[in-house]
Amino acid sequence: EPEVTQTPSHQVTQMGQEVILRCVPISNHLYFYWYRQILGQKVEFLVSFYNNEISEKSEIFDDQFSVERPDGSNFTLKIRSTKLEDSAMYFCASSVGRTRRTYGYTFGSGTRLTVV
Amino acid sequence: KNEVEQSPQNLTAQEGEFITINCSYSVGISALHWLQQHPGGGIVSLFMLSSGKKKHGRLIATINIQEKHSSLHITASHPRDSAVYICAVGYYGGSQGNLIFGKGTKLSVKP
Repeated sequence: EPEVTQTPSHQVTQMGQEVILRCVPISNHLYFYWYRQILGQKVEFLVSFYNNEISEKSEIFDDQFSVERPDGSNFTLKIRSTKLEDSAMYFCASSVGRTRRTYGYTFGSGTRLTVV
Repeated sequence: KNEVEQSPQNLTAQEGEFITINCSYSVGISALHWLQQHPGGGIVSLFMLSSGKKKHGRLIATINIQEKHSSLHITASHPRDSAVYICAVGYYGGSQGNLIFGKGTKLSVKP
């Protein structure tokens, strides 16, 4: 069964450093998303991406965040200057498209980001 | 405010029991998702539904649009079903992927 692959599974970074979280969505999917889950809290939507641009972003997704699809397969989330409160599990997901309502989303296994 | 409420928060069951997890939401939705989060943290999508009922193996999901309520049922529960089950909704006016998540129901099935 096709998978969404995320790397690395765990990343530790110093406060103020830039991090890039990587995702390889399912190849025929058109929509891509990032979510985060702070330990012990709900999953939260960060951003959706379609046709090489952001479709929607939440208020969490401020100027320190950016997303990119640098080639045909990778989908990245960059955090420019990490803060302690960015420590969380970050999930990538993808879906076929808006009209294929019978198909759900496929999530990656997550990247646990720890900012120290 | 858009809210998704799940009950119960925690559930312990004996192997073989029939389990029901409930989800209520406050807005008009385009679709409702049931997700399973494993102890390691990974999320698996179980169901996406906008009306009626869906079944996959021992899992059944139902939704009542008028009452803004959904249930996830697990028949003949097994210890491997132990996980956090999360309800999430896509609401009218939100883009694809802009989901509102519940806090999750932590299920523990004892042998």
